[in-house]
Amino acid sequence: DSGVTQTPKHLITATGQRVTLRCSPRSGDLSVYWYQQSLDQGLQFLIQYYNGEERAKGNILERFSAQQFPDLHSELNLSSLELGDSALYFCASSPRGVSSYEQYFGPGTRLTVT
Amino acid sequence: AQKVTQAQTEISVVEKEDVTLDCVYETRDTTYYLFWYKQPPSGELVFLIRRNSFDEQNEISGRYSWNFQKSTSSFNFTITASQVVDSAVYFCAPTKGSQGNLIFGKGTKLSVKP
Repeated sequence: DSGVTQTPKHLITATGQRVTLRCSPRSGDLSVYWYQQSLDQGLQFLIQYYNGEERAKGNILERFSAQQFPDLHSELNLSSLELGDSALYFCASSPRGVSSYEQYFGPGTRLTVT
Repeated sequence: AQKVTQAQTEISVVEKEDVTLDCVYETRDTTYYLFWYKQPPSGELVFLIRRNSFDEQNEISGRYSWNFQKSTSSFNFTITASQVVDSAVYFCAPTKGSQGNLIFGKGTKLSVKP
């Protein structure tokens, strides 16, 4: 158990809908990262937050947004869902938002868009 | 531009064989960090090791060992006396920039047969 929690574990929804994925980092970790894992794109970095502020952006679509709250949990919002958004979404946390620290991953949320 | 290559897509071995997973990371950066993660069939991503670019000492942890050679940009991972529980997809992942977001290779799927 990495100490990072993600809810829900599975999500099935229809095209055009909006969903929110939630992540709680390990105790004491200030930085949260979101990644997407799909068959065609592999594991891709989406976005990073550190202590409530956005730090870095990767291949995140405009339909997607995220935030980190004062209690350090984070939410990833996906809207106008398309079939291609079906993927495993991981959240990871690290003590600081810098390269020298390893990231610990949550169990992931499997999103299926039908 | 940075590029991480895991040339072996799938490897199959019989239990107790040694197996080496290759990773090549090409970058112009002189300072960087490299990570290995394991993704068993259950789907979670498990942190295995972190190395930095200025430390070329090999590292051994139980049946796992890592060999980092900056001159060839290779960061290889060896499992000695493999076990069925080692069956998983293994990812090599350097960090990009100072924020620490991971760039994942395509992964190597290791199957260890009894």
